[in-house]
Amino acid sequence: QQPVQSPQAVILREGEDAVINCSSSKALYSVHWYRQKHGEAPVFLMILLKGGEQKGHDKISASFNEKKQQSSLYLTASQLSYSGTYFCGTEENFGNEKLTFGTGTRLTIIP
Amino acid sequence: GAGVSQSPRYKVTKRGQDVALRCDPISGHVSLYWYRQALGQGPEFLTYFNYEAQQDKSGLPNDRFSAERPEGSISTLTIQRTEQRDSAMYRCASSLETGGGYTFGSGTRLTVV
Repeated sequence: QQPVQSPQAVILREGEDAVINCSSSKALYSVHWYRQKHGEAPVFLMILLKGGEQKGHDKISASFNEKKQQSSLYLTASQLSYSGTYFCGTEENFGNEKLTFGTGTRLTIIP
Repeated sequence: GAGVSQSPRYKVTKRGQDVALRCDPISGHVSLYWYRQALGQGPEFLTYFNYEAQQDKSGLPNDRFSAERPEGSISTLTIQRTEQRDSAMYRCASSLETGGGYTFGSGTRLTVV
């Protein structure tokens, strides 16, 4: 069963903040986040490992709560380039490297 | 190479024909993955390799699908006796190390008519 992401879609004005959530019904070892623009390949953003570490670079950060089997992606002061569909990918066990991708969140940034 | 290269970019084939999709990962990347992606959906796992060893093929839909990576570099995904339901974007990805972030290729758009 794939992770459920919320919201399904969101429209923001440039400069606004966004939070995208990813929730799994299974215990997780890690969570990946990817952004995919229309007609392009998904692009890796970051990976979070079991341990609840929060990561980030520039104005994009993420957290992972393994007890709740949830991860959240935080986009601060959004830019036009942030538009796209965001997918979380979950890994259940260390060494079992396949990712199960979430339902996706479509983010549109308008000027 | 600089990125993950997949060929062909587009493939139109008649139902019942065999197709071979090629993936050339980033040089030195240990892990190679095959996913299938329907429009508007997230990638769906098919199979993956560490070096030349196929570690997990649980996502292959049926025995018409097979994959190999004989020298631990280039990989081929083969679909025999194609059916219309096989039409999709097939994406390859590689990662430098076990459990690392993926670099995806541009994909092969397969259409079975």
